[in-house]
Amino acid sequence: KNQVEQSPQSLIILEGKNCTLQCNYTVSPFSNLRWYKQDTGRGPVSLTIMTFSENTKSNGRYTATLDADTKQSSLHITASQLSDSASYICVVRLGRGSTLGRLYFGRGTQLTVWP
Amino acid sequence: EAQVTQNPRYLITVTGKKLTVTCSQNMNHEYMSWYRQDPGLGLRQIYYSMNVEVTDKGDVPEGYKVSRKEKRNFPLILESPSPNQTSLYFCASSMGQGGNQPQHFGDGTRLSIL
Repeated sequence: KNQVEQSPQSLIILEGKNCTLQCNYTVSPFSNLRWYKQDTGRGPVSLTIMTFSENTKSNGRYTATLDADTKQSSLHITASQLSDSASYICVVRLGRGSTLGRLYFGRGTQLTVWP
Repeated sequence: EAQVTQNPRYLITVTGKKLTVTCSQNMNHEYMSWYRQDPGLGLRQIYYSMNVEVTDKGDVPEGYKVSRKEKRNFPLILESPSPNQTSLYFCASSMGQGGNQPQHFGDGTRLSIL
């Protein structure tokens, strides 16, 4: 069964600290993996997209890694800010030709940054 | 301004009364998709469309219909809404069909079915 699991479910850190969020998936065949940030009451916003051949990608203070062999990804946030408080969602796209549009979502990690 | 627009933003209605949630994008995107988001379950894909006149089922298509007659519009239709369809709905679009482009999401539609 195609699934995406994220951990931890929630995380509280102090402003200025770093943190790492985890994503494990069983989606196969794999096309790409995305990380989204979702503020409360808003639609998700894309942070990174990685294909099979990419093992790291950065977007400012956000760095995503991908190990396609172990089917694991992580999102590292550096020098956290209060505005980083949000839900971070891992999404994997199916790579099969007739269902290329299928996306599988993790349940998200709720990050809270305290001053 | 590039955007995905959903209407209405909020709707309270009763069981069995047909409703349509509209979604429109002004970015000439090929790919569009509908999601529902429920507490504890995260986002789940309802239907998606790779291009005009091409639609496919996602994870939870039961009770929903879609159509893609024009590139910019992708309405979500609930023919006979039921309380278990009470949820927060998002429409999204992205460039191309290959899938390596980020999705742009609308601001969401909160539906309550009584």
